[in-house]
Amino acid sequence: NAGVTQTPKFQVLKTGQSMTLQCAQDMNHEYMSWYRQDPGMGLRLIHYSVGAGITDQGEVPNGYNVSRSTTEDFPLRLLSAAPSQTSVYFCASSRALGETKAFFGQGTRLTVV
Amino acid sequence: GENVEQHPSTLSVQEGDSAVIKCTYSDSASNYFPWYKQELGKRPQLIIDIRSNVGEKKDQRIAVTLNKTAKHFSLHITETQPEDSAVYFCAASLSGGYNKLIFGAGTRLAVHP
Repeated sequence: NAGVTQTPKFQVLKTGQSMTLQCAQDMNHEYMSWYRQDPGMGLRLIHYSVGAGITDQGEVPNGYNVSRSTTEDFPLRLLSAAPSQTSVYFCASSRALGETKAFFGQGTRLTVV
Repeated sequence: GENVEQHPSTLSVQEGDSAVIKCTYSDSASNYFPWYKQELGKRPQLIIDIRSNVGEKKDQRIAVTLNKTAKHFSLHITETQPEDSAVYFCAASLSGGYNKLIFGAGTRLAVHP
C-alpha cells in the first residue's frame, strides 16, 4: 500500500516556465488537498477537492490550477512559475466523511530561479 | 475563514521536562483539532487529535486539551526525549463534511539531552 505518492521530489524551474506536480493516492480517499510550506508560515492550503470533478480554492490559490478527473489523482499546475512560488509542496488525502486523519505525501521541493 | 495562531514559534527544553504548545482559532464552528509532527526533511504525520465534544485526550506522553469557550487548544508533551525534537503543527477544521485543514505556523521543539 503506497499511500500518497508525489512526483517529482525536487524540481528547478526558470521564471515563466510551467509544470505539473503529480499526486496519487491508492486509499480510495474522497478528499485531497495541496499545501505549500514556507519557513515560519506553516502549511498553507492552495486548493482542495472533495471528490472527482469537484475542486475549490484554499488560502493561497493564485498562480495554481488543479483538476480532479479521477479519485486517485490530483495534479497541481503552475501556469507561469515565479520566484515567490519557491517552496515545499505537500499533497494530502483523507476520507471526507467520518474520518478526518490526513495522510501526506513526501513533498516536492520546488525552486524557481 | 478560519485562522489559527500558534505559540511559541520555538521551544527549547531539557530532556525529561514538559513542553506545552498553544493554539487559538477564530471560527467557532470548527470542531476538529489535530496535531502533526514533522521531523526534518520528512512529511507531517498525525500524532493526536481532538474533537469539539471532548475536553481532553491522552496518548501515552502526549495530551491535548480544548477550551471551546476561549477557542484555544494545547499540546502537552511530558517526559520529553531527544526524539521528540521536531516541528509541531496544530490545525483546525470543520469535520464531518469536508476536511479542510487550516494550520498554525508551527513550533520548533528542541529537546536537549
